[in-house]
Amino acid sequence: AQSVAQPEDQVNVAEGNPLTVKCTYSVSGNPYLFWYVQYPNRGLQFLLKYITGDNLVKGSYGFEAEFNKSQTSFHLKKPSALVSDSALYFCAVRDRGSTLGRLYFGRGTQLTVWP
Amino acid sequence: EAGVAQSPRYKIIEKRQSVAFWCNPISGHATLYWYQQILGQGPKLLIQFQNNGVVDDSQLPKDRFSAERLKGVDSTLKIQPAKLEDSAVYLCASSAPGPSGANVLTFGAGSRLTVL
Repeated sequence: AQSVAQPEDQVNVAEGNPLTVKCTYSVSGNPYLFWYVQYPNRGLQFLLKYITGDNLVKGSYGFEAEFNKSQTSFHLKKPSALVSDSALYFCAVRDRGSTLGRLYFGRGTQLTVWP
Repeated sequence: EAGVAQSPRYKIIEKRQSVAFWCNPISGHATLYWYQQILGQGPKLLIQFQNNGVVDDSQLPKDRFSAERLKGVDSTLKIQPAKLEDSAVYLCASSAPGPSGANVLTFGAGSRLTVL
């Protein structure tokens, strides 16, 4: 069975500080991993994905994520948070062996960046 | 390019009534998805189309939910009769052609359903 866990419902950081949003996953095979962001009353927007190769993936708006196979984690990071980063963040996983397979989402982490 | 269009954005109905949501994916995107997002939860796949064929509808409550994608473009998701627990945001997404599990989904803004 495939699943995604985002252990923190909420993350609060001060503007200018680094941020981390945690994600762990469980798949039967090797994963494709994704981060999406959702602003109020908007659909989900793609941030970045891990396919293969370098474990550190860089994405939109200065975000990056590190794939750690031994810990089955894919934490989202940003060196310096902005107030405009405040949003709901979703981690998602798909089994690499399933080309049209289902994308499983975590329950989301609300990031709040205060001035 | 134009995004994924969904309508209506908001709908309020009473239980046992019916409702339909419409989605127009990005032009050329062969794969179309309907997700249900209940407050406080991540999106859950209801149904996935490849062109106009169903790839995965294992989580669709078929006694009340139905979906179609005529001509492999637009899609309609219907709920009849609605229950209180169907209150959610219904997200439509599409992805580019090609059998790649790494395809990125592009989501519409969603249709928020409230069942009273």
